[in-house]
Amino acid sequence: GQNIDQPTEMTATEGAIVQINCTYQTSGFNGLFWYQQHAGEAPTFLSYNVLDGLEEKGRFSSFLSRSKGYSYLLLKELQMKDSASYLCAVMDSNYQLIWGAGTKLIIKP
Amino acid sequence: IAGITQAPTSQILAAGRRMTLRCTQDMRHNAMYWYRQDLGLGLRLIHYSNTAGTTGKGEVPDGYSVSRANTDDFPLTLASAVPSQTSVYFCASSEAGGRNEQFFGPGTRLTVL
Repeated sequence: GQNIDQPTEMTATEGAIVQINCTYQTSGFNGLFWYQQHAGEAPTFLSYNVLDGLEEKGRFSSFLSRSKGYSYLLLKELQMKDSASYLCAVMDSNYQLIWGAGTKLIIKP
Repeated sequence: IAGITQAPTSQILAAGRRMTLRCTQDMRHNAMYWYRQDLGLGLRLIHYSNTAGTTGKGEVPDGYSVSRANTDDFPLTLASAVPSQTSVYFCASSEAGGRNEQFFGPGTRLTVL
């Protein structure tokens, strides 16, 4: 079967760095996405990785290792507005997204 | 309008009633999707459409139907609602093929009693 695993909840301090991990087992791989979802709102796109390595975009970076079925999202200089759920999703061989349950990130002052 | 709109924002529905959730996008995206999101679970694909005139079943299609008469609109119908269909429903769209970043509507919160 297809499976995406990520921690349910994480807590971090304002100004710090946090790494949210995602492991996956899917039928085929056509890229991995990270989305941010604030409570009561729609998911919004953060990043896309299809090749191994690190993609940096401002305070956010995303890493992929296809051989290990592993990705992480790195958030630097945390701000209170980063409190949200972070969703990992893998595009399978049918070009459909398989979603993890999301990681709720709580930022404390 | 800009992006994707969904209607209604929320709805309370009696079991057994028929309900259509509306979704409209103005980005001229070929592909559209319906997901449901339940606490503790990831987004689950209900139905999708890769282009106007075609639809396909996702992971959890039972009890739902869709149509795609044109590029912009992708309504989701619950023929006879049941309490297990209580959920938040998101419509999304994307360019077909390639990177396929999906853009989401604001969601419809549906409660079936």
